[in-house]
Amino acid sequence: DTEVTQTPKHLVMGMTNKKSLKCEQHMGHRAMYWYKQKAKKPPELMFVYSYEKLSINESVPSRFSPECPNSSLLNLHLHALQPEDSALYLCASSPPGGTSPLHFGNGTRLTVT
Amino acid sequence: GQQVMQIPQYQHVQEGEDFTTYCNSSTTLSNIQWYKQRPGGHPVFLIQLVKSGEVKKQKRLTFQFGEAKKNSSLHITATQTTDVGTYFCGIDRGSTLGRLYFGRGTQLTVWP
Repeated sequence: DTEVTQTPKHLVMGMTNKKSLKCEQHMGHRAMYWYKQKAKKPPELMFVYSYEKLSINESVPSRFSPECPNSSLLNLHLHALQPEDSALYLCASSPPGGTSPLHFGNGTRLTVT
Repeated sequence: GQQVMQIPQYQHVQEGEDFTTYCNSSTTLSNIQWYKQRPGGHPVFLIQLVKSGEVKKQKRLTFQFGEAKKNSSLHITATQTTDVGTYFCGIDRGSTLGRLYFGRGTQLTVWP
């Protein structure tokens, strides 16, 4: 099991839909991450928030919009996605400072039709 | 940014055999992390290596960091079916902390 909770577990959306992925942690971690993972590939970093501020955007298309309302919550807003955006979206958190281990959530399996 | 090569991509072993996966970088690493992802699951942190020549053990798992801090290995002794999954190494990418870059992973299959 994991202390990082992601909802929903599965999501199917059309290319014109707007949806949001949610992530929550109560470990007091101040860094939160979004990763995208395609089948049989490693997780690819999308965004990093540090102390609720966006610190890294790995050139992610604007149809993905992250939000960090507070230190425990991380959202990923989705709009006008493409079928190739179908993937497992993983949220992670880590303690502040240095290179700390990542604690991953179970992920949201997204299918874009 | 830094790149890391991980080999092999796949490994199939009989239960009881040993298994090793390797990560190699062309540049000196500050540290390296190892993760395991079970089929259908999420990556789970195993260990972080920081010091040159460091060797750490977790039961049947042995992790090594090269003297030059450019390579690392994960060795499993006497594999069990519970070891099935994909093992990833992860390194810092660039100067900004928190940019963890994963190797391509080694998918381990263990036959009973």
